[in-house]
Amino acid sequence: DAMVIQNPRYQVTQFGKPVTLSCSQTLNHNVMYWYQQKSSQAPKLLFHYYDKDFNNEADTPDNFQSRRPNTSFCFLDIRSPGLGDAAMYLCATSRDSARGRVQPQHFGDGTRLSIL
Amino acid sequence: GNSVTQMEGPVTLSEEAFLTINCTYTATGYPSLFWYVQYPGEGLQLLLKATKADDKGSNKGFEATYRKETTSFHLEKGSVQVSDSAVYFCALLGAAGNKLTFGGGTRVLVKP
Repeated sequence: DAMVIQNPRYQVTQFGKPVTLSCSQTLNHNVMYWYQQKSSQAPKLLFHYYDKDFNNEADTPDNFQSRRPNTSFCFLDIRSPGLGDAAMYLCATSRDSARGRVQPQHFGDGTRLSIL
Repeated sequence: GNSVTQMEGPVTLSEEAFLTINCTYTATGYPSLFWYVQYPGEGLQLLLKATKADDKGSNKGFEATYRKETTSFHLEKGSVQVSDSAVYFCALLGAAGNKLTFGGGTRVLVKP
């Protein structure tokens, strides 16, 4: 059973048209992550939520925003997508590893975003 | 800062061949180490992990041993199958928090 679910699997949008990607989880994990993965590269962390606390990576463009209305759901909003934003977007969850017990991240299958 | 270096691919093998993917890391403190696998069109799946020196992680015939003296976590499988064709990522979780540091990934192609 899928535990980290991303919808849709494929998303096409137009240059400059806002788009939202969604992620839900059934694991009740308190940490949720969004990654961008371009072809043949490692995932790049955009930001993560520790409970409701938002943690942005220093090099994440302002064009990327996120919302986490509750424990189960997290959204990635791209305000004005450019051609360079075409990528696979991966959501992941984990329990808190900062309390001494290592908690691996669990990934969804990703949303592949295309920009026309 | 933390970093992970893994061998570049693609690695092309015949079925039943022995697979090794090298991974070395740089980190402060005592990180935890992971191998993730990504099949075509899918997200990353945790393959195995090791949380302290000399730990051996194993799963689905894959093994990796946490070697602190050489700062390495090489992935091995004795006899690969076509279904093992995927991209493999070595990753590190620092002692301080929740963020993974990934290596660049190694594409493995197993031919029948």
